[in-house]
Amino acid sequence: DQQVKQNSPSLSVQEGRISILNCDYTNSMFDYFLWYKKYPAEGPTFLISISSIKDKNEDGRFTVFLNKSAKHLSLHIVPSQPGDSAVYFCAATAVQFYFGTGTSLTVIP
Amino acid sequence: NAGVTQTPKFRVLKTGQSMTLLCAQDMNHEYMYWYRQDPGMGLRLIHYSVGEGTTAKGEVPDGYNVSRLKKQNFLLGLESAAPSQTSVYFCASRYAGGPYNEQFFGPGTRLTVL
Repeated sequence: DQQVKQNSPSLSVQEGRISILNCDYTNSMFDYFLWYKKYPAEGPTFLISISSIKDKNEDGRFTVFLNKSAKHLSLHIVPSQPGDSAVYFCAATAVQFYFGTGTSLTVIP
Repeated sequence: NAGVTQTPKFRVLKTGQSMTLLCAQDMNHEYMYWYRQDPGMGLRLIHYSVGEGTTAKGEVPDGYNVSRLKKQNFLLGLESAAPSQTSVYFCASRYAGGPYNEQFFGPGTRLTVL
């Protein structure tokens, strides 16, 4: 049973616009949430994280929002750039880490 | 500082053969992890270790064994490979403490079992 879900396998956005990637989870014990970015033939790299005691964390063009009551988090990228084209995984942890299935983002120049 | 490295990068096995995947990290991280990535499944945790000499099962441990004899190395073994173990395997490590809990991933090993 998938505890972390990314229901959109792919997303296409025009350069300069906002990209919004979504993630849902089922386990209320998760206390930390992370987003990773992955290019082909490489390992995932950490992007941004948020603790369950916060509802927003911002780092440059990247902002993660957490809605605990809805068990939902989202990653906003503003403005989107062609170099942002990659697969994005959300992850959640209490002890172990659980990853979503990923969303492939394509930023169109 | 090489970060997390994995050996080998690619391997083809026949059903029933055995092999060991090596993960090494030079960041003095306490925790290490082995994941597999399959199409449509995301990353799933196989085994992990919270320190030298300790290992624990993750989500999908069956058919795999691990050892952490040295802090910097985490070995993943397949005793009798099956086609269902065809996958991309990622190793990761992280500090035990710290506010971010991020994992650092290796580049992956692509394994095909025929």
